Amino acid sequence: KNEVEQSPQNLTAQEGEFITINCSYSVGISALHWLQQHPGGGIVSLFMLSSGKKKHGRLIATINIQEKHSSLHITASHPRDSAVYICAVGSGGSNYKLTFGKGTLLTVNP
Amino acid sequence: DSGVTQTPKHLITATGQRVTLRCSPRSGDLSVYWYQQSLDQGLQFLIQYYNGEERAKGNILERFSAQQFPDLHSELNLSSLELGDSALYFCASSPWGGSPRDTQYFGPGTRLTVL
Repeated sequence: KNEVEQSPQNLTAQEGEFITINCSYSVGISALHWLQQHPGGGIVSLFMLSSGKKKHGRLIATINIQEKHSSLHITASHPRDSAVYICAVGSGGSNYKLTFGKGTLLTVNP
Repeated sequence: DSGVTQTPKHLITATGQRVTLRCSPRSGDLSVYWYQQSLDQGLQFLIQYYNGEERAKGNILERFSAQQFPDLHSELNLSSLELGDSALYFCASSPWGGSPRDTQYFGPGTRLTVL
């Protein structure tokens, strides 16, 4: 079993829909990151969470430490949101380690 | 543009060969991380350097090595290449020593194809 599980693996939505991508992890963590990878390959860091909730524009990320679960929400989705969204958990201090989920491929159709 | 540069963008080589991938971090960032992304394994952490010293090691093969130079650029050396080493190799940087809470800034990646 992977340490970081994402669901769904693939998601297709119509423009304007509310999107939720889930991430569950099985290890103790210091932080959880959401990353976005566009078809060209570039990776952008969206959020770092250690507790609670963060919002940036139409993107909202939440984390529940007790349940070892995080969600990434996209409100009013747009075709430019089409990308792979990757959850990564960070653990360790001096023994740093970032472990990644397999990613969720989101396609938003106009 | 993250400010992290990687060269080359693409690299095609043969099995058994050795290649060097180069990464220049964002100005002022002290930590450099290397990642491998393959279709079957996804993204995997290879190694981290902080201010010239190895700070953490992940799933890096013995055939692979890295270093960070005094000007803070880093190189990842891959030797005795195998078909399975074909992947995207990303470099990322962060300002400090590599807390799991640090935001990392990713380069555009080097696509390695081993034939």
